[in-house]
Amino acid sequence: AQKITQTQPGMFVQEKEAVTLDCTYDTSDPSYGLFWYKQPSSGEMIFLIYQGSYDQQNATEGRYSLNFQKARKSANLVISASQLGDSAMYFCAMRPFYGGATNKLIFGTGTLLAVQP
Amino acid sequence: SAVISQKPSRDICQRGTSLTIQCQVDSQVTMMFWYRQQPGQSLTLIATANQGSEATYESGFVIDKFPISRPNLTFSTLTVSNMSPEDSSIYLCSVDSPPDRDNYYGYTFGSGTRLTVV
Repeated sequence: AQKITQTQPGMFVQEKEAVTLDCTYDTSDPSYGLFWYKQPSSGEMIFLIYQGSYDQQNATEGRYSLNFQKARKSANLVISASQLGDSAMYFCAMRPFYGGATNKLIFGTGTLLAVQP
Repeated sequence: SAVISQKPSRDICQRGTSLTIQCQVDSQVTMMFWYRQQPGQSLTLIATANQGSEATYESGFVIDKFPISRPNLTFSTLTVSNMSPEDSSIYLCSVDSPPDRDNYYGYTFGSGTRLTVV
């Protein structure tokens, strides 16, 4: 079964510090994509970063980086230099590229991040 | 990446009534996805809408409750029928953005419809 697990329901971080949000996944598909989304209190889903299962390097997008450890099936999001505007819910998601569930995004339960001044 | 306009942004509805949510994409896309996010929960896929064919529903969701239309490659609607308070959720539509050169922007979501059923 394909599954995304986020074990941190909530996290606090001081402004300007780095924070790591954990994500582990379970799939038997050889090819898949991993995503992180940010959902502010307004409800919109904002794409942050993508990592393909065959990508050799960890993805980076500005202050966001994805610590991809394929053997451990983990895809942790690292936010550097946290800002007050980073306070939001963060979702890890996976898309298999083979099998009957292609194109379907599977979401974790999310981590609520609060950045403190 | 694609831009999606979703309407309405929020609504308060009486139980037993129906609400139709619209999503307009600024480019042609093969598949559109409809998600439900119940309060404090993650996103759950309701169905996948292909133009010219019946939508494909996920386990636990049925067409009579969530009829979907997909008249062309840029537009789709989701109707929440015969609503009850348990239908109070955020509903989001989504499309997969094709890679732009070396960049992949992932799935794009509409701004969501926050539905409250009273």
